[in-house]
Amino acid sequence: AQSVTQPDIHITVSEGASLELRCNYSYGATPYLFWYVQSPGQGLQLLLKYFSGDTLVQGIKGFEAEFKRSQSSFNLRKPSVHWSDAAEYFCAVGRTFSASKIIFGSGTRLSIRP
Amino acid sequence: DTAVSQTPKYLVTQMGNDKSIKCEQNLGHDTMYWYKQDSKKFLKIMFSYNNKELIINETVPNRFSPKSPDKAHLNLHINSLELGDSAVYFCASSPRQAVKAFFGQGTRLTVV
Repeated sequence: AQSVTQPDIHITVSEGASLELRCNYSYGATPYLFWYVQSPGQGLQLLLKYFSGDTLVQGIKGFEAEFKRSQSSFNLRKPSVHWSDAAEYFCAVGRTFSASKIIFGSGTRLSIRP
Repeated sequence: DTAVSQTPKYLVTQMGNDKSIKCEQNLGHDTMYWYKQDSKKFLKIMFSYNNKELIINETVPNRFSPKSPDKAHLNLHINSLELGDSAVYFCASSPRQAVKAFFGQGTRLTVV
């Protein structure tokens, strides 16, 4: 079955600390992988996406994600978080980059400690 | 002059019924969304739609379907309602995906 698992429901990190949000997927074919962010009161924003090529993908706002096929993982990282990064983060997997059904993970809420 | 309006505001219905929630935006936005607010008050995306693509969260049951008669409307149809469908459903719109969205006031659906 196709699925996306984000094992951490809620994470709190100090401002300036590094961040890693975990994502594991189960998908029959080679997946397209995404990370979205939802800030309070806002819609979804695409942070980055991956299908092929370099397994380390750079996104907006200083985020990056690394695809590890052997671990079926696509973890999101940021070297130094800012208070404005507090939001909910969704990992997702799909068949194409657009116009497709996308499976979202349950989300990880990120809180920033001053 | 409500920017994003949903009707009805409250909806109580029996299990097995089919119901629709309407959403209209007068902002000229390209993208509209439906969210379900879960028991922990988190908003979970159900659908994202503009005139070019529909993105569906596959965890959403097939009983839920978005219908967009035109750019200003995105209605939510729900077939064979179940008790677990009880929730608050929010419609939203944004000028394009990945830009701040404006939310409707929500529709509280209660299935009995």
